[in-house]
This record gives sequence, structure tokens and C-alpha cells, in this order.
Amino acid sequence: KQEVTQIPAALSVPEGENLVLNCSFTDSAIYNLQWFRQDPGKGLTSLLLIQSSQREQTSGRLNASLDKSSGRSTLYIAASQPGDSATYLCAAHYNTDKLIFGTGTRLQVFP
Amino acid sequence: DGGITQSPKYLFRKEGQNVTLSCEQNLNHDAMYWYRQDPGQGLRLIYYSQIVNDFQKGDIAEGYSVSREKKESFPLTVTSAQKNPTAFYLCASSINVRGGTQYFGPGTRLTVL
Repeated sequence: KQEVTQIPAALSVPEGENLVLNCSFTDSAIYNLQWFRQDPGKGLTSLLLIQSSQREQTSGRLNASLDKSSGRSTLYIAASQPGDSATYLCAAHYNTDKLIFGTGTRLQVFP
Repeated sequence: DGGITQSPKYLFRKEGQNVTLSCEQNLNHDAMYWYRQDPGQGLRLIYYSQIVNDFQKGDIAEGYSVSREKKESFPLTVTSAQKNPTAFYLCASSINVRGGTQYFGPGTRLTVL
């Protein structure tokens, strides 16, 4: 069964810290992996998409890596800010036309 | 502005009633999706459509119905057969189902009274 797991479920850090969010997937035959941000009561905003042939993608202070052999992806946030507080979701896309979502990591960055 | 709109933002339904949630996109995307989100759970796929006049069941299609008569529109009907419909519903679209980023609407929160 294809499953996606995110650890930790919640994370609270002081402003300025660099932090890593983890995403694990059980089936390494992914098509791509996406990271999303969700603010409370809102829809999802796409952050980064990594194709299966890529190892990482970067956008501003965000860097996402993909290791298919170990079934892992990480989202690195540099110099965290209170505005980064949100829930971060990863989703694996397999050749089944569907995204499999993790349950998310709820991040709080305090001043 | 290009994007996905959902309406209404909040919806209240009495037991036994059918309700329809609207989803419109002007991104010229072929694929559209409906997800359900419950507290503490990941998004679960209800239905998706690869192209106009075509749609497939997702993982939790029971009690829901959809139509895709226009490329821009993918309405979701929550029927009285759905036993636990209170949830946050999200619509998304992508260029096609085989890859590319999915873009999400702002969501509709449905509450059954």
C-alpha cells in the first residue's frame, strides 16, 4: 500500500532557526513529490515540486530534497520567520493519476 | 487573475439534504480534483476528472457525485447518502493528471446541522 508519513506532527521553534521537515513514502516508484503550505482554514499553496529524476529544488529560503532509494524527502527552511507558521504537507505522485498526501507538520515560529 | 475559485466559503446543510459545491478555474487546465480534509488526516481524494465529460472515482466517492460539462467547472454534490459529510472540501486543478503542480482553491467548509 502506498503511504506517506510526516514527522514530526508539530514543531515549535524560535525565529531565526534553520529547520527540517521530514516526509517518508513507502513506494519508491514515485513520479514526483510536492510540498505544500496550508494556512488555517485556507487552501493549499504549492511550494516546490521535485521530479523523480531530480535530487532537490530550491525556492528562496526553501530547499526540498528527494532520496528515492530511502523513500524520503526533506523540506529545509532557512532562517525561519513567524510568517512561516503554517501546516506543511508533502504529497507523492505515482503513475496512478493520484496524489497521496501525508498528514502534515504543523509549524509554529515564535518571535 | 488566473486561479481557482470555490463557493460558498461556508455551507450549512440539514440532514437529508443534497448540496452542491462550486469549483471554477480559469487556468485552462484539463484535470480537476475534489478532496476532503478532516482534522488530523491527510487529504483524501473524492473524484477527479482528466478531461471534459469524463471523471473517475477516488478513494472515498460513496455519497458524492460530480459532473464535468465544461472545462472550467467541476461541481461536487454531497448527497444525503454521505453519512458524515461535515468536513473541509478542497478543489484543485493541474495541466493533466500525469504530472505538474496541483493548484488549490480556498476551500468550502460544510457543516451538517
